[in-house]
Amino acid sequence: GAGVSQSPSNKVTEKGKDVELRCDPISGHTALYWYRQRLGQGLEFLIYFQGNSAPDKSGLPSDRFSAERTGESVSTLTIQRTQQEDSAVYLCASSTPLSTDTQYFGPGTRLTVL
Amino acid sequence: EDQVTQSPEALRLQEGESSSLNCSYTVSGLRGLFWYRQDPGKGPEFLFTLYSAGEEKEKERLKATLTKKESFLHITAPKPEDSATYLCAVQAPGSGYSSASKIIFGSGTRLSIRP
Repeated sequence: GAGVSQSPSNKVTEKGKDVELRCDPISGHTALYWYRQRLGQGLEFLIYFQGNSAPDKSGLPSDRFSAERTGESVSTLTIQRTQQEDSAVYLCASSTPLSTDTQYFGPGTRLTVL
Repeated sequence: EDQVTQSPEALRLQEGESSSLNCSYTVSGLRGLFWYRQDPGKGPEFLFTLYSAGEEKEKERLKATLTKKESFLHITAPKPEDSATYLCAVQAPGSGYSSASKIIFGSGTRLSIRP
């Protein structure tokens, strides 16, 4: 079956522009996570969606970051007024309601802010 | 403060040379410890979850063990295709759906196996 997909795979933007990153989770996975991974570092939790419950936004670094999810499907991470420090790989993961500990990751979107 | 530290940062081994990667953690009330493998340009791939001290899990040439303070990922007779970054993560107790915010990743160990 299809895994988690993310688009675009690469995004280069200019400082101050807004960007949208997309994540398509595995069908049937109600939990969806966004992480940020800076070069040579571990994953930094950003936001978590579980079904129709209110998302856990505790990891978002600033109010320039926001995310939406329609039901149990696609999610979009939006970064407004991008800064150079936003350059990183943004990873999305999903998991089943029975095993939220096992996360299946997408390939990531590499964001470069010039 | 909850923290995960992985060592070494990088490890170069000869094919067939066994070794271990370390993941030390400080967390109040471990709920689970995870190992992932990450290849360049790809997302992490799940390997193991360990829940309690003394637990061990194996998959092919890899074996993960857990104590109250650290976890080891043992690699036996590695092959070049085992070259990757290995990530460790811990989950501390949360309340309901907020538990996701307590998943803390280490910075990884870059493993390189020479043929």
